[in-house]
This record gives sequence, C-alpha cells and structure tokens, in this order.
Amino acid sequence: DTAVSQTPKYLVTQMGNDKSIKCEQNLGHDTMYWYKQDSKKFLKIMFSYNNKELIINETVPNRFSPKSPDKAHLNLHINSLELGDSAVYFCASSQDGRGTEAFFGQGTRLTVV
Amino acid sequence: AQTVTQSQPEMSVQEAETVTLSCTYDTSENNYYLFWYKQPPSRQMILVIRQEAYKQQNATENRFSVNFQKAAKSFSLKISDSQLGDTAMYFCAFMPYTGNQFYFGTGTSLTVIP
Repeated sequence: DTAVSQTPKYLVTQMGNDKSIKCEQNLGHDTMYWYKQDSKKFLKIMFSYNNKELIINETVPNRFSPKSPDKAHLNLHINSLELGDSAVYFCASSQDGRGTEAFFGQGTRLTVV
Repeated sequence: AQTVTQSQPEMSVQEAETVTLSCTYDTSENNYYLFWYKQPPSRQMILVIRQEAYKQQNATENRFSVNFQKAAKSFSLKISDSQLGDTAMYFCAFMPYTGNQFYFGTGTSLTVIP
C-alpha cells in the first residue's frame, strides 16, 4: 500500500485550462503539504494543512486553490494554467508537522503547453 | 527568515569510497530540526537522516552520518562505503521547532562511479 499517493503522475495540458491533482495519505497523519519543484530542482512550500485547516499559504497565485475534504486528502486545483506553472508538484504528509519525518508522494509532473 | 545553502551543486565519488555533502543554514531560532532527503531518478523523496538541534549527539543511520555543528550552523552528511544506489540528488532541509514547513536547500547531485 502506497503511503502517500498522488494522481496523476504526469499531466500535459494547454495554457488556460483548469486542472486538479489529487493526494491521499493512509498514514493517519495530521499535517499535509504541497511543494513545487522547479526545473532547477528547487523545492518550495506552497501550502500546509493541519487537520484540514490551512496553516501556511506561501506567496502562491490565487489561481492555486488547495482543498482538504478530510484529514487524509489534500487536493490542488489550478485555474487558468500558465507556462510558468510547469513543474513537479509534490504532496507530503507528516505526523504532526512538528519535526517529524515527512513522507512524500511520487510527484506530479505538470507540463503546460 | 530561514535559508538553507548547499554549496556543492554536483559531486562524484568512487564506489566504496566516502563522500561528504555540505549544508549550512541561517536561523535565529534555538530549537529546530534538520533533515537530509534523497531524490533518486525515480523522483521519490526519501528521508536519509534526521537531527534534532537540541541533541548534541550526531545522528547516524547505517552508512549515513551527520556532522552537526550548531554554533557554525553546519549540517554535513557523510556517506561511507558509497554504493551505486546512492546516486541521487540530496537535499538538506530545515524545520523550525514551531514546525509546519520544511525549508530546502538547492540540492547536491551525487554520482557514484563504478
């Protein structure tokens, strides 16, 4: 059983489209994250949720909207996709967000054409 | 603001040799956590080792160990007896005690040469 699973693994779409990436964790963790990894491999936090509550919302365009229907799921919806949104998006979870190990999904490679 | 610096974009090591990856960080906090994550070509992020700043003892995990120098804000990773499967990007990461997010360095691409 995969601990943190993201779907889809690859996503190719045209500029202006709206797309969603789904994330589920079966570890019973309280905290979930979305990270963006750019073409230079730099990882930057986008959002952090604790028990379905938004804790961190870094300077991310409001075209990106996370949704946490329950503690085990954190989905990412992106409106009006732009070329600069092309990246790998990682979902992760940790027990309580207080220094415990984070488990990462396999990432979603988003390509906007 | 927290920043993490990895000054070696690329490194290589012969199989069975030892290599050290460097990491420095900047913070005004006294309590925090430090991590090394590995990202092989499969893209999966895997925890290598974790250190709590209030612990003086350096963390070790089998062939992986750290040299944690709190005063110098340095957190280097030593890989002993390097194996081909160690080829990957290695990211140093910082988490403040108050938690809720990791700050990652820019990564070091390590190649183990047979």
